[in-house]
Amino acid sequence: QLVLTQSPSASASLGASVKLTCTLSSGHSSYAIAWHQQQPEKGPRYLMKLNSDGSHSKGDGIPDRFSGSSSGAERYLTISSLQSEDEADYYCQTWGTGKVFGGGTKLTVL
Amino acid sequence: EVQLVESGGGLVQPGGSLRLSCAASGFTFSSYEMNWVRQAPGKGLEWVSYISSSGSTIYYADSVKGRFTISRDNAKNSLYLQMNSLRAEDTAVYYCARDRGSYSEIDYWGQGTLVTVSS
Repeated sequence: QLVLTQSPSASASLGASVKLTCTLSSGHSSYAIAWHQQQPEKGPRYLMKLNSDGSHSKGDGIPDRFSGSSSGAERYLTISSLQSEDEADYYCQTWGTGKVFGGGTKLTVL
Repeated sequence: EVQLVESGGGLVQPGGSLRLSCAASGFTFSSYEMNWVRQAPGKGLEWVSYISSSGSTIYYADSVKGRFTISRDNAKNSLYLQMNSLRAEDTAVYYCARDRGSYSEIDYWGQGTLVTVSS
């Protein structure tokens, strides 16, 4: 079964960097994923598609501070030079016959 | 500019029905696959349904199969979700979402419409 696992929470200081992790279930380590951001009281926003080889393509207007990387079944989202508006929920998503979402990581900017 | 605008949400009693609409603009709607995704209060995102660009291929989450029907009208640039036999656990914000390409990720989201199922 295709499952995405995310840590429920993460925190980092203003101006620092943070790396969020999304783990694909066993047997699915070759799958690409997407990262989405959801700021408080807003709808989600697409950040990027991230392939198994670490290559990624970002959505319209997504700053260079957001980048992605991969290792095995792990998919990472790195946000550098953290700003207050980066405080949000981050979801990974993949696809088969339907879409699968991770449980989300709530990022707190200290 | 891609825009997806949902409408049709509201308060409905358990067992009732509701039809959601999504008006699309800023892109060639008939060329894109579309989805409905929902988010219960305080919870994460849950995929609900998918429809191909022509409407010939449709998928549903097990939680809504047999109760919800997705459809589209490419002439009207519109996506729909007919929801029947509604339950309290269907209470959520419902988002219309576009796929970037064939069998790919979601790349645009609407702002959502709230559906509340309660007596």
